[in-house]
Amino acid sequence: QKEVEQDPGPLSVPEGAIVSLNCTYSNSAFQYFMWYRQYSRKGPELLMYTYSSGNKEDGRFTAQVDKSSKYISLFIRDSQPSDSATYLCAMTSYNQGGKLIFGQGTELSVKP
Amino acid sequence: DVKVTQSSRYLVKRTGEKVFLECVQDMDHENMFWYRQDPGLGLRLIYFSYDVKMKEKGDIPEGYSVSREKKERFSLILESASTNQTSMYLCASSTTGNSPLHFGNGTRLTVT
Repeated sequence: QKEVEQDPGPLSVPEGAIVSLNCTYSNSAFQYFMWYRQYSRKGPELLMYTYSSGNKEDGRFTAQVDKSSKYISLFIRDSQPSDSATYLCAMTSYNQGGKLIFGQGTELSVKP
Repeated sequence: DVKVTQSSRYLVKRTGEKVFLECVQDMDHENMFWYRQDPGLGLRLIYFSYDVKMKEKGDIPEGYSVSREKKERFSLILESASTNQTSMYLCASSTTGNSPLHFGNGTRLTVT
């Protein structure tokens, strides 16, 4: 079993929909959680960075962490065609020495 | 903004060639990383470095070596390229602790 599980999709939604992307993990020591967005033929770019449990909002994006369930989510409100990309979750703990553990990534397509 | 620059976007090399992939970051980050990204396998860590002249093996170091002679530069070396090293190679950097990684735009290497 992988340490971080993420449904690879692809996920296709109409423009304006609310998108929910999720990851589950097995290591209860993880405390730092990230979401990256990767456009085709580009490197991943950091979208959200959260510590421990709770919610964090940035514009149309909300990151949610539920440590009791070992479950993290990224919500995208009012999705746009420009949100079409692969979304990767990543996480780490204090004793990983700065290394991140990545999910496989979910491919999202937002149709006009 | 942090900038991580990879010297080549696309490379085509022959089997058995020695290949150098170069990465430079401009934010005085201590940590630097090399990943490869393949469909269905996600991001896999090859090597990382916490400081100049220091290196640590990641999950898939076989067939690769690295060099970090200056803090801002981290090189990945394929000693004798093979077709199974055809992949997207991503360099990343971060400050100390559990800070997020900042990625370059990748080098797509094809070995024929």
